[in-house]
Amino acid sequence: KAGVTQTPRYLIKTRGQQVTLSCSPISGHRSVSWYQQTPGQGLQFLFEYFSETQRNKGNFPGRFSGRQFSNSRSEMNVSTLELGDSALYLCASSLARYTDTQYFGPGTRLTVL
Amino acid sequence: AQKITQTQPGMFVQEKEAVTLDCTYDTSDPSYGLFWYKQPSSGEMIFLIYQGSYDQQNATEGRYSLNFQKARKSANLVISASQLGDSAMYFCAMREPEKGGKLIFGQGTELSVKP
Repeated sequence: KAGVTQTPRYLIKTRGQQVTLSCSPISGHRSVSWYQQTPGQGLQFLFEYFSETQRNKGNFPGRFSGRQFSNSRSEMNVSTLELGDSALYLCASSLARYTDTQYFGPGTRLTVL
Repeated sequence: AQKITQTQPGMFVQEKEAVTLDCTYDTSDPSYGLFWYKQPSSGEMIFLIYQGSYDQQNATEGRYSLNFQKARKSANLVISASQLGDSAMYFCAMREPEKGGKLIFGQGTELSVKP
């Protein structure tokens, strides 16, 4: 069974631009969560989607948004990019929401210049 | 508020020896799950082992075992017979069912295995 895939793997953007990251979960997994990893803040939860609905949101500004499609694929969008948005963005999927293990993708490394 | 603490920023271990990575947690919820992930330099988070708060026995997965001491709120990862490929960052994480898919991570421990 294929693992979680994320595209693109690397992105370079400039301040003020917007970016869209994509995540395809493991087949059959319906829950998708997103995390931001930076050297200073570590791993921080962004949001969780289940059945096309955002179920949980971390403490990030409204510039960070996401959505989930009927096939469970998810996208996250960051508008008006800031230098501090440079990070590794990790997507994780699980069968259900509450107790199942989350399996992570390889991440998208975003650099904002 | 829920919290995960990993007090060892970096550790060294000789190849073939065992090593323990520390993790303490704080939660007021009686139901929770604890996870360990490995992150090589490539960036991908690899799931290693899971322990539920109601599990009676410590979890084991191959060379990985979890030393779960509920009263002390600790969930230390033990890696037996270390291999060079074990060199990576290791993260302890917690999940509370009422918070759905949200994982709280510790700051991580960088493990280096010496030949």
